[in-house]
Amino acid sequence: EAGVAQSPRYKIIEKRQSVAFWCNPISGHATLYWYQQILGQGPKLLIQFQNNGVVDDSQLPKDRFSAERLKGVDSTLKIQPAKLEDSAVYLCASSLASGSGTDTQYFGPGTRLTVL
Amino acid sequence: AQKITQTQPGMFVQEKEAVTLDCTYDTSDQSYGLFWYKQPSSGEMIFLIYQGSYDEQNATEGRYSLNFQKARKSANLVISASQLGDSAMYFCAMRAPQSGAGSYQLTFGKGTKLSVIP
Repeated sequence: EAGVAQSPRYKIIEKRQSVAFWCNPISGHATLYWYQQILGQGPKLLIQFQNNGVVDDSQLPKDRFSAERLKGVDSTLKIQPAKLEDSAVYLCASSLASGSGTDTQYFGPGTRLTVL
Repeated sequence: AQKITQTQPGMFVQEKEAVTLDCTYDTSDQSYGLFWYKQPSSGEMIFLIYQGSYDEQNATEGRYSLNFQKARKSANLVISASQLGDSAMYFCAMRAPQSGAGSYQLTFGKGTKLSVIP
């Protein structure tokens, strides 16, 4: 079974530029998550989708971050404009459903973003 | 609000020995799940083991076991017979209902860096 795919793996941009990340979840997984992991910390949830609807985006900085999951499969996360503090690893995860505490999330390899 | 505490920033263990990574959690929910993930230097988060709050038996998955002490709110990971490939960051996480959002959220600790010495 193929895992969660993410691209690109690495991205270097200058501040105020825009950047987009792509995620393809495990086939059949209804729920998709984007996390931000700053160096030395655990991942922090940015946004959670159930199929193509947003379940939780309370920690997404909406003035510069946006995300979409068209057709309930692939998802893109965009930052515009980027700030220095956005330098982090952006992890995508997916799970079968969000309806119970036993739902295990499986993660992709992440995109390491460096903002100069 | 949920909180996960991992008090060991770094740990060393001799190859083939067992090691325990500590994790304590704080929640007012009765139903929750506890997870451990491994993050090698490549960056991917690898799911290791799960323990439900109502599970009476400690979870085990191969060389991994979870020492669940509900009254003390601790969920320590035990790795038996350490291997060089176990060197990585290890994160404890808790999944509990997110009030106001109608969803379950996974909250992570800051992680423990495990180094296995030959």
